Amino acid sequence: QLQESGPGLVKSSETLSLTCTVSGDSIYIVNYYWGWIRQPPGKGLEWIGSIYYNGNTYHNPSLNSRVTMSIDTSKNQFSLKMTSLTAADTAVYYCARESRASYADSSGRYLTLDPWGQGTLVTVSS
Amino acid sequence: SSELTQDPAVSVALGQTVRITCQGDSVRSNYASWYQQKPGQAPMLVFFGKNLRPSGIPDRFSGSTSGHTASLTISGAQAEDEADYYCNSRDTNFNHVVFGGGTKLTVL
Repeated sequence: QLQESGPGLVKSSETLSLTCTVSGDSIYIVNYYWGWIRQPPGKGLEWIGSIYYNGNTYHNPSLNSRVTMSIDTSKNQFSLKMTSLTAADTAVYYCARESRASYADSSGRYLTLDPWGQGTLVTVSS
Repeated sequence: SSELTQDPAVSVALGQTVRITCQGDSVRSNYASWYQQKPGQAPMLVFFGKNLRPSGIPDRFSGSTSGHTASLTISGAQAEDEADYYCNSRDTNFNHVVFGGGTKLTVL
């Protein structure tokens, strides 16, 4: 299971800090990444970024340098920081376990996000 | 990064078959995964890879890929299948992740 935690209300221009606590699974598993996804009210899903157990990260280029991710294997947690918030960052933020796999016959790759946390609504106020 | 395009809305009569599509360059080289999201809930994986379903997902959910189009087919749609469906895959650069815009499925 995954559980997001963090403030529900953040002021514009400030920094959002969210943590995802993983239970029933070790975050120190070489086959998994750990991802952040968000969903503005009434809109679709947007990938924010992913982090590997060794600290390697990938993030959505559209978010430029506003996103920082970290991982704490001792606490079985990973975290997201997003700076310079605006109203456009108001969304439900989800964390999820990400699996990246390839077929042995080289016929293709796939990526799954499963399971997901329940999500936490973050509202950016002016 | 590449994009994945989905029809915004699709409807199907109860018990009939419906196909939800996802188009983009990234599905030429990566299999799409599909997620079901009901109101107020987190998305749930329903199909992935060539032909894989997570445990507990009914076998009426199936998937396929042809060229740059991935499809999720629901054979014999049930009322409980009414939801938003999203596709995703690895981006063409393989390190990033992309989502389709989502398809709202209505079961009539």
